[in-house]
Amino acid sequence: DAKTTQPTSMDCAEGRAANLPCNHSTISGNEYVYWYRQIHSQGPQYIIHGLKNNETNEMASLIITEDRKSSTLILPHATLRDTAVYYCIVRFPTGTASKLTFGTGTRLQVTL
Amino acid sequence: DSGVTQTPKHLITATGQRVTLRCSPRSGDLSVYWYQQSLDQGLQFLIQYYNGEERAKGNILERFSAQQFPDLHSELNLSSLELGDSALYFCASSATVADNEQFFGPGTRLTVL
Repeated sequence: DAKTTQPTSMDCAEGRAANLPCNHSTISGNEYVYWYRQIHSQGPQYIIHGLKNNETNEMASLIITEDRKSSTLILPHATLRDTAVYYCIVRFPTGTASKLTFGTGTRLQVTL
Repeated sequence: DSGVTQTPKHLITATGQRVTLRCSPRSGDLSVYWYQQSLDQGLQFLIQYYNGEERAKGNILERFSAQQFPDLHSELNLSSLELGDSALYFCASSATVADNEQFFGPGTRLTVL
């Protein structure tokens, strides 16, 4: 799995967009970018994933650069409930098993 | 609510003891994963089962073992417990064997005194 680098922490005002960057410069052609978040001591929650095109779902948008060496998770209107640790994970989509490797992630603090 | 259930929610025990953590995956999911989250190690993958068979192993200690039963629920057995085993233990499930979209349970907080 390609290594990822994320800022340790970020702040965001409630109602504003939260843009969380992830660097994955060693990503290979078939690896996907996955985002999870963990709200304090709860189980991690899958958010979104993508290969090369931008993706959007009801929770967030994922923007992947054209060279695929970095990506940004966007929470369009952050709320206090979005305060969590956000993990960017790069993995191949198929195989005979799956074991997610969580790094240290970005601690997002949403404030009033 | 992810649909994954874990019991018990909290467990307090003494060093040297043995405990069993239980996980019921989402309806229809065949894969079960176990993760450990401690303060100093972060979230670490332990082991994966798919339809009753072990599929992947992480840094799981020999004192730990797991199994998945025919009804697809899974149990993680931790024995000869040490203080350092105190952690949150999460179970996750997914539909297929190589799903990177996994659904996590609420966790079991184990405290070893």
